[in-house]
Amino acid sequence: EPEVTQTPSHQVTQMGQEVILRCVPISNHLYFYWYRQILGQKVEFLVSFYNNEISEKSEIFDDQFSVERPDGSNFTLKIRSTKLEDSAMYFCASSEAPTSTDTQYFGPGTRLTVL
Amino acid sequence: GIQVEQSPPDLILQEGANSTLRCNFSDSVNNLQWFHQNPWGQLINLFYIPSGTKQNGRLSATTVATERYSLLYISSSQTTDSGVYFCAVGKPANAGGTSYGKLTFGQGTILTVHP
Repeated sequence: EPEVTQTPSHQVTQMGQEVILRCVPISNHLYFYWYRQILGQKVEFLVSFYNNEISEKSEIFDDQFSVERPDGSNFTLKIRSTKLEDSAMYFCASSEAPTSTDTQYFGPGTRLTVL
Repeated sequence: GIQVEQSPPDLILQEGANSTLRCNFSDSVNNLQWFHQNPWGQLINLFYIPSGTKQNGRLSATTVATERYSLLYISSSQTTDSGVYFCAVGKPANAGGTSYGKLTFGQGTILTVHP
């Protein structure tokens, strides 16, 4: 069964450094998402992406964050200058159809630790 | 935004027992998914169920969209069922094109099954 993959599984970085989290969505999917989960809390929406542009973003997704689909298969989340509070599990998801009418499939997550 | 409340927050069972988890939401939705987060943090899709009833082995789910709630039933629980169960909902896209598949998660139910 096709699945969403994410790399790395765990990333440790120093405060102020840039990190890039990578995702490979399911191949025929057109809608891509990033979510995050701070330890012990619920999963929160960050951004959705379709047709090479952001379709919606949350207030968490400030100027320090950016997303890109550089090559038609990868989908990346960049945090420009990490803060301690960026430590969380980051999930990538994808779906085939838009407008909340289809299952979103989640990747296994990247655990980001900012020291 | 839409509010999602799950109950109970914690549930402790003996192996073999049955349980019902509830998800209430504050607005009309056209996407509702149940997830199981395993001890490694992975979000496993259980059901896509914006309305109606579905069954998959020992698990089943029912969503009554008109009354804005969903139930997840676990029968003959096993220790491997332990983890956090999340309900997540998506609203219809509005005329402006926002809410493009964004899922809003509840706080989760922590299930512990003892042998």
